[in-house]
Amino acid sequence: KAGVTQTPRYLIKTRGQQVTLSCSPISGHRSVSWYQQTPGQGLQFLFEYFSETQRNKGNFPGRFSGRQFSNSRSEMNVSTLELGDSALYLCASSQGTPGELFFGEGSRLTVL
Amino acid sequence: GESVGLHLPTLSVQEGDNSIINCAYSNSASDYFIWYKQESGKGPQFIIDIRSNMDKRQGQRVTVLLNKTVKHLSLQIAATQPGDSAVYFCAETLGNNNDMRFGAGTRLTVKP
Repeated sequence: KAGVTQTPRYLIKTRGQQVTLSCSPISGHRSVSWYQQTPGQGLQFLFEYFSETQRNKGNFPGRFSGRQFSNSRSEMNVSTLELGDSALYLCASSQGTPGELFFGEGSRLTVL
Repeated sequence: GESVGLHLPTLSVQEGDNSIINCAYSNSASDYFIWYKQESGKGPQFIIDIRSNMDKRQGQRVTVLLNKTVKHLSLQIAATQPGDSAVYFCAETLGNNNDMRFGAGTRLTVKP
């Protein structure tokens, strides 16, 4: 069974640009959550999608958005990038809630 | 303001010894707790979970203890191996969503 797949794995952007990250969950998993991991703030919850609906949202500005498609694949978007957005963005999928989260290896974003 | 990096507690043990990693959680209403292991360059990996109606749960070589009175969680690893070297996070959640609140993490180093 394939695990959670995140693309791209690494990317470099400049301030003011926008970025889209993609996540393919484990087959059969309907919940997809996104987390930001930084040395300064640790792991922080961004949002969760279940059956194409955002079910919960963390304390991040509106520049951070996401969506989920009918096949459960999810994307997150960050607009008007700031230096502080440099982080490892982790996607996790699960079957039920609350449930065991299966994390991908992350997308490492560097903002210059 | 200046961002201060999280100070990760560290634990160094000899191979074959038992390890105990502690975590203080924040929300007395949290009803589901998980321990994750994160190796360098990878996403967090589920180790073991426990619900608030239990105070102990055992897995293979691992035991989680929950003390709701003092909002404390611990992870015990028996016969620690070099492959156990990683950062360990506790996470808590409330209700039926995957908005996990992660602790800062503890870096475990196993000396051969």
